[in-house]
Amino acid sequence: AIQMTQSPSSLSASVGDRVTITCRASQGIRNDLGWYRQKPGKAPKLLIYAASSLQSGVPSRFSGSGSGTDFTLTISSLQPEDFATYYCLQDFNFPRTFGQGTKVEIK
Amino acid sequence: QVQLVESGGGVVQPGRSLRLSCAASGFTFSSYGIHWVRQAPGRGLEWVAIISYDGSNKYYADSVKGRFTISRDNSKNTLYLQMNSLRAEDTAVYYCAKDRRDYELLSAFDIWGQGTMVTVSS
Repeated sequence: AIQMTQSPSSLSASVGDRVTITCRASQGIRNDLGWYRQKPGKAPKLLIYAASSLQSGVPSRFSGSGSGTDFTLTISSLQPEDFATYYCLQDFNFPRTFGQGTKVEIK
Repeated sequence: QVQLVESGGGVVQPGRSLRLSCAASGFTFSSYGIHWVRQAPGRGLEWVAIISYDGSNKYYADSVKGRFTISRDNSKNTLYLQMNSLRAEDTAVYYCAKDRRDYELLSAFDIWGQGTMVTVSS
């Protein structure tokens, strides 16, 4: 199974900050990666698919980049609703595998 | 609107069985692969299984292979997860999630249900 490793596991930031989260795959997965945000007690929400495509209805402060093994999610200006946990998920093969998550907390 | 609603969770003893359901509405259910994803308390997300749009292809995580069975009834717009030989480590919130692209097996998950809690305990 492909291992997905996110970093950092957690970070503290303030409203308005620029935040970057990284996901590394144990083998090349082309651009077959998505990013999800999960607020406490809620279901995950798709933010980015195909590594860099913004899902419909998602604010433009979210962006994704990367291909092969290294991927990045960037939030250009952190908003109060963005304090949550973020996961990457590879869409390359089965079994599907998530990163372990990155918790974004209020500084 | 496009919606997935899970049901069937509860408390069950180790070794027993449980069947989860996921009712879909607002989209052409028979055109999309659907997944089960679970999340143990305080832990991350774990993909469990997928069934293709027509039910002809199914894949499972190694942790549930041979114990869980995914199925669907396109006439009822409903997905199922039959869970047998349950273990304490199966305790989790179980989500169903829809593929973003129709007729594809490998796609992002664009719609998620609210989840149903399964607790395996004696």
